[in-house]
Amino acid sequence: DAGITQSPRYKITETGRQVTLMCHQTWSHSYMFWYRQDLGHGLRLIYYSAAADITDKGEVPDGYVVSRSKTENFPLTLESATRSQTSVYFCASSEQGAPDTQYFGPGTRLTVL
Amino acid sequence: AQSVAQPEDQVNVAEGNPLTVKCTYSVSGNPYLFWYVQYPNRGLQFLLKYITGDNLVKGSYGFEAEFNKSQTSFHLKKPSALVSDSALYFCAVRDGSSGTYKYIFGTGTRLKVLA
Repeated sequence: DAGITQSPRYKITETGRQVTLMCHQTWSHSYMFWYRQDLGHGLRLIYYSAAADITDKGEVPDGYVVSRSKTENFPLTLESATRSQTSVYFCASSEQGAPDTQYFGPGTRLTVL
Repeated sequence: AQSVAQPEDQVNVAEGNPLTVKCTYSVSGNPYLFWYVQYPNRGLQFLLKYITGDNLVKGSYGFEAEFNKSQTSFHLKKPSALVSDSALYFCAVRDGSSGTYKYIFGTGTRLKVLA
């Protein structure tokens, strides 16, 4: 029972490079979310998806792109990474019948040099 | 616009004593409120939620929270703290009347339970 996984767990990249963070869940949950966690800011929602091919912006979407072609996957792409995108990124999912109970992945620590 | 405030960066409490972690919120519509806990190097874990109904909500690990509409607060409580409760706690809110699932989280409160 893998649950919700994120890969890679750690990533170092350079300014201007494209980076994709992966999120995979095995529960067939309808809802999936991407957050970033920064000291002094708590968690901030980047994007979420209510179902395959349905996405919506969160609080801090600029510089990020998401897609959801399959229910179980929700990749997050930084098209041209900037130092301000250095953060810990968390993916979460929730089921259709209880959308407000989110299950979080272990996180990806991204450093942009 | 929605917002959440957790006024204390850290709360220290002796083991066996009651604990309270404070949260106040602002939302234009119908407040749906949540508490999550984060242990070191882990993702967040859901503790409890208030959607509607009884103002006192019971959750996991013996935690409870009281919704107070007049004070726009949703404080997390536990009657008797354990050392293992030491962690980072987040309050969150979304507007239940918006039709969207855009959650706003507070900045977190670190709870330290002293043996």
